[in-house]
Amino acid sequence: DAGVTQSPTHLIKTRGQQVTLRCSPKSGHDTVSWYQQALGQGPQFIFQYYEEEERQRGNFPDRFSGHQFPNYSSELNVNALLLGDSALYLCASSFLQGSYEQYFGPGTRLTVT
Amino acid sequence: KQEVTQIPAALSVPEGENLVLNCSFTDSAIYNLQWFRQDPGKGLTSLLLIQSSQREQTSGRLNASLDKSSGRSTLYIAASQPGDSATYLCAVYTSGTYKYIFGTGTRLKVLA
Repeated sequence: DAGVTQSPTHLIKTRGQQVTLRCSPKSGHDTVSWYQQALGQGPQFIFQYYEEEERQRGNFPDRFSGHQFPNYSSELNVNALLLGDSALYLCASSFLQGSYEQYFGPGTRLTVT
Repeated sequence: KQEVTQIPAALSVPEGENLVLNCSFTDSAIYNLQWFRQDPGKGLTSLLLIQSSQREQTSGRLNASLDKSSGRSTLYIAASQPGDSATYLCAVYTSGTYKYIFGTGTRLKVLA
């Protein structure tokens, strides 16, 4: 049973560019959440997707957008990258009708230069 | 607004010691609380999930307790080992918010 997978593992971008990160949820899960984790900090909630709709959003600007596909996989897009967007981006999946226990992927390390 | 605090921020102990990590939260209307382990540069591994109706959960050498009324949870690690060295994060799922709020973690180092 595959867990949560994310791609790519690492990414280096230049300020002003755009980036797309991808996530495949754990088998049987229908909800995907994205988090940003700066060095030495706890993860910060970006948004959650369920049934291809954004269900909840954290305090992140509109430069951060996402999408969920019919197979429950998800993408996180960040436009007009800033140096401060450098972080570990984590995807978590869960089952809506369950205990909301979240399972995390290995993350994508984004470096903006 | 839910806020989660973890104390201490860092901890260094000799191998074999029993230890307690603390997590406090400001809004007691939680659905559940989850403890995670994170190795440097890696994703989060779920250790224990405590539902709001439960008082504690156990897995091997780990025991987590929850006191909603006081806004506290503790993670007890028995007979610590060097392999337990990692950052431990607690996260609270507040009812109706659809998101987990994380503490900043406790960085644990177990010395051989």
